[in-house]
Amino acid sequence: EAGVTQFPSHSVIEKGQTVTLRCDPISGHDNLYWYRRVMGKEIKFLLHFVKESKQDESGMPNNRFLAERTGGTYSTLKVQPAELEDSGVYFCASSQGLYNEQFFGPGTRLTVL
Amino acid sequence: DQQVKQNSPSLSVQEGRISILNCDYTNSMFDYFLWYKKYPAEGPTFLISISSIKDKNEDGRFTVFLNKSAKHLSLHIVPSQPGDSAVYFCAASDSGTYKYIFGTGTRLKVLA
Repeated sequence: EAGVTQFPSHSVIEKGQTVTLRCDPISGHDNLYWYRRVMGKEIKFLLHFVKESKQDESGMPNNRFLAERTGGTYSTLKVQPAELEDSGVYFCASSQGLYNEQFFGPGTRLTVL
Repeated sequence: DQQVKQNSPSLSVQEGRISILNCDYTNSMFDYFLWYKKYPAEGPTFLISISSIKDKNEDGRFTVFLNKSAKHLSLHIVPSQPGDSAVYFCAASDSGTYKYIFGTGTRLKVLA
């Protein structure tokens, strides 16, 4: 069974540019989560999808971040325009049910210069 | 305001000895706790969990202890092996939200 995959693994962009991160959850997992880790700090929750619906987006930093999950399969996280403080590792996770543990992808390391 | 705290950023242990990683939390609504292990350039991998109705859960060399009155949990690894060297994250959630609140991690180094 394939795990959670994320693309790209690394992205280096300049301040003001746009970046789109993609996450493919484990097949059959309705629950999809985005998290972010900034410079060795804690891994922080961003948002949670159940199928294509946003259940909880309380962790989204501001309206420069837009997450979508069309069709309830893969998800994208767009940052537009990117700021320096957006640098960090963005993790995606998925779970089969709400009470099952979350499986994490390898992350996308975003560097904003 | 961190709700989950791992106050030891790093820990070194000799191979074969016990590793004890600690975690404190502040939110009394948390009812589910997990430990994840992370190797460099990889995502966190689930290790072990415990529900608030228990005070201990064991899986092979890994045991998690929960002290609800102290709002403290710990992960014991016995015996420690060099392959256990990684960053360990403590996480907590409450059944109302299902999102995980993570600590900052503890880097464990097991010396051969």
